[in-house]
Amino acid sequence: AQSVTQLDSHVSVSEGTPVLLRCNYSSSYSPSLFWYVQHPNKGLQLLLKYTSAATLVKGINGFEAEFKKSETSFHLTKPSAHMSDAAEYFCVVRKGAQKLVFGQGTRLTINP
Amino acid sequence: DTAVSQTPKYLVTQMGNDKSIKCEQNLGHDTMYWYKQDSKKFLKIMFSYNNKELIINETVPNRFSPKSPDKAHLNLHINSLELGDSAVYFCASSEMSGKTDTQYFGPGTRLTVL
Repeated sequence: AQSVTQLDSHVSVSEGTPVLLRCNYSSSYSPSLFWYVQHPNKGLQLLLKYTSAATLVKGINGFEAEFKKSETSFHLTKPSAHMSDAAEYFCVVRKGAQKLVFGQGTRLTINP
Repeated sequence: DTAVSQTPKYLVTQMGNDKSIKCEQNLGHDTMYWYKQDSKKFLKIMFSYNNKELIINETVPNRFSPKSPDKAHLNLHINSLELGDSAVYFCASSEMSGKTDTQYFGPGTRLTVL
């Protein structure tokens, strides 16, 4: 069955330092994976998606994620954090034709 | 020119009442969804409609009844509201283009049941 596990419920970094949000997936076949971001009191916005093309996926706002089959991981990174990156981040896997299964979320805090 | 819109944004009501949340998308998508986000931010799909037909119905109490008058609208009606129904409800839409379709989410409706 398709599922994702976000390894950290809360990550705190200083502005200008790298961001790493970790996600491991479980899938019986080649998965479709996504990262969504939710800013406070806002809806969900797609950051990036992996659909079995290039393993390094670039998204919006300088984020990228690398699909590593050997490690069953799809970690989200950004070289330099900005205050506006503070939000909740969700790793998501597609299950079946349309169903999305969400991870538990990682709250990213940016320190000035 | 909002892609997926929901009304109302906030809904506060008493236990036992019946309420509806409306969703509209102007993206020309075939498929629409309702998700529930609980107080711990966990998101779970409730329903999915494709061209006005129900295709996903998770284990949701039958007090919840989605209605799709046309493929651009998916409304959620909730009868006999309970305290546990308090959550943020998100509508989403996508194309039926197979494996690579992306779901676009609305801004959410925060429902508080007193």
